[in-house]
Amino acid sequence: GAGVSQSPRYKVAKRGQDVALRCDPISGHVSLFWYQQALGQGPEFLTYFQNEAQLDKSGLPSDRFFAERPEGSVSTLKIQRTQQEDSAVYLCASSLGSNFNQPQHFGDGTRLSIL
Amino acid sequence: GQQLNQSPQSMFIQEGEDVSMNCTSSSIFNTWLWYKQEPGEGPVLLIALYKAGELTSNGRLTAQFGITRKDSFLNISASIPSDVGIYFCAGLYNQGGKLIFGQGTELSVKP
Repeated sequence: GAGVSQSPRYKVAKRGQDVALRCDPISGHVSLFWYQQALGQGPEFLTYFQNEAQLDKSGLPSDRFFAERPEGSVSTLKIQRTQQEDSAVYLCASSLGSNFNQPQHFGDGTRLSIL
Repeated sequence: GQQLNQSPQSMFIQEGEDVSMNCTSSSIFNTWLWYKQEPGEGPVLLIALYKAGELTSNGRLTAQFGITRKDSFLNISASIPSDVGIYFCAGLYNQGGKLIFGQGTELSVKP
């Protein structure tokens, strides 16, 4: 499709397990962002890539969170040793260029539930 | 984390009524965006504003970028049932490109 694609749509994991969330940005989009959205809240920034370079990871809550975009297209957000407070919707967004005025287009997210 | 102050938190209106919601911040932003989110979906961009004082329309939606660059509002005219959803304002930091979101305004439209 033409939009941002995220998989899986739903993920249930037991506390302590590792999870990996995938994002396929819009083709040709240089910038890629990850956000975390808790229930009833607006999305909160986690990290930002320009091509394969991770330029800002100031929003990652702890060193259990790790993101990569090795070839400058698909990105993976990995959470190690998951905890219950990690339960949230994880949204990926992409924008066309490196100009920060380019609008960000969002995927439908991965809903993560930690039991 | 930091969020914008968005109000009202929720609105229950009759079909055909006009709606207004706004967003304020203690920080200056160079770009304001308005998104709509429906259950189980990601936010969808409605309007982007790039200049202080800018007034932009998209169909029945009109948004303005405040002169002080610390606020923005969104108006929806002649609401219809498919306007139901959660509306988010977002300010864009040029440094790093991250969006700062408001808490959202949940809109319900009674036919």
